[in-house]
Amino acid sequence: EVQLVESGGGSVQPGGSQRLSCAASGFTFSSYSMNWVRQAPGRGLEWVSYVSSGSNTIYYGDSVKGRFTISRDNAGNSLYLQMTRLRDEDTAVYYCARGGGPGRSAFDYWGQGTLVTVSS
Amino acid sequence: EIVLTQSPGTLSLSPGDRATLSCRASQSVSNNYLAWYQRKPDQAPRLLIYGVSWRATGVPDRFSGSGSGTDYTLTISRLEPEDFAVYYCQQYGSSPYTFGLGTKLEIK
Repeated sequence: EVQLVESGGGSVQPGGSQRLSCAASGFTFSSYSMNWVRQAPGRGLEWVSYVSSGSNTIYYGDSVKGRFTISRDNAGNSLYLQMTRLRDEDTAVYYCARGGGPGRSAFDYWGQGTLVTVSS
Repeated sequence: EIVLTQSPGTLSLSPGDRATLSCRASQSVSNNYLAWYQRKPDQAPRLLIYGVSWRATGVPDRFSGSGSGTDYTLTISRLEPEDFAVYYCQQYGSSPYTFGLGTKLEIK
């Protein structure tokens, strides 16, 4: 059974940093691209970042470019999102989502999310 | 950035009705990389359709997707009670990947 479990959320002050993790199991992690998607309170889904299966290709949404860094550890079956210079508008539930293949793919499995609250 | 505009914002229908949800892109979606997701409260999003018209594993055949270029449609042929939810379209053909704002399908 495919499982994605996010962790690392919590409260952080504006300008601070937070590192999110996503533990994957039930599939060959190294064969799939991965993504982070967020949903702010009362808002829709917002794609945050993408990493290909071998980390050769990485993309970011405009709102997080230069502040967030996606990475993955294929040996440890984990995905990460390092968030820096956090802003109030980064407050959201963050989901990791699996791409359906090694490259560009729809997101076929999602975790349950971890809440990040940016507030002073 | 490709902007996806979903309409209507809210759709009020009854079980057994046919639902037609629209997603219009501001420019052509590369390789027809267009997906639809269902979102229910306190649940993770669920992939319904990818590549415009391919149903994801386990998705009932009352769900179908169609379209090309900049205009896409999700059709639910006969609504079941569990289908009332929020539906999002997404393009994953070019970065930044983008989602529409969603269509809320509510019980009339």
